[in-house]
Amino acid sequence: KNQVEQSPQSLIILEGKNCTLQCNYTVSPFSNLRWYKQDTGRGPVSLTIMTFSENTKSNGRYTATLDADTKQSSLHITASQLSDSASYICVVSATSGTYKYIFGTGTRLKVLA
Amino acid sequence: DTEVTQTPKHLVMGMTNKKSLKCEQHMGHRAMYWYKQKAKKPPELMFVYSYEKLSINESVPSRFSPECPNSSLLNLHLHALQPEDSALYLCASSHLARNTGELFFGEGSRLTVL
Repeated sequence: KNQVEQSPQSLIILEGKNCTLQCNYTVSPFSNLRWYKQDTGRGPVSLTIMTFSENTKSNGRYTATLDADTKQSSLHITASQLSDSASYICVVSATSGTYKYIFGTGTRLKVLA
Repeated sequence: DTEVTQTPKHLVMGMTNKKSLKCEQHMGHRAMYWYKQKAKKPPELMFVYSYEKLSINESVPSRFSPECPNSSLLNLHLHALQPEDSALYLCASSHLARNTGELFFGEGSRLTVL
C-alpha cells in the first residue's frame, strides 16, 4: 500500500533555530517527492521537488534531502523565522500515471519569538 | 500567471441550500482537482478532471457534483450537504503532459454547513 508518513507530528522551536522534518514513504514505483508549505487556512505551496537521482536540493533557507534506497526524505529549515510557522506536507508521486499524489500527514511547525 | 483562483473564500450554507464553488486557472494545465481538507489533516482527493473529462471520482457522495465547463474552469456544485461536510475545499491544477508534476493549489474555499 502506498503510504507517506511524516514526523514529528508537531514541532515548536525558537526563532533563529534550525529544525529538520522527516518523511518516509512506501510509494512504488517512485517518481518524485515534493515538500509543500501550507499556512493556516491557505492552499499548499511547493517548496522543492526531489527526483530519484537527486540527493540534496536547496531553496533559500530550506534544504531537502532524499535517500531513495531507504525511501526517506528530510526538510531542513535554517535560521527559522516567525513566518515559517505552518504545516509542511510531503507529497509523493508514483509513475503509474493515475494523477494520484500521496500526501503525508504533515508536520505542524510553530516558531516562537 | 501561476495562480489558481477560487471563489468564494468563505461560504456558509444550510443543509437544504444549493451552492457552487468555482475554480479558475490560466496556466494551460489540462488536469484539475478538487480536494477536501479537514482541520489538521492532509488534503483528501475528491475528483480529477483531465482534458475536461472526469478521470477520478474517489467515491464522493452525490451531494457533491463536479463540473468542468472548459479547460480553465472547474466547479463544485453542492446540494443537501451535512454539517460534517464543513471543511476547506482546495482546487488544484497540474500540467497534464507531466502527470506527476507540481500541483498548483488555490487559496481554498472555507465551507461551513449549518
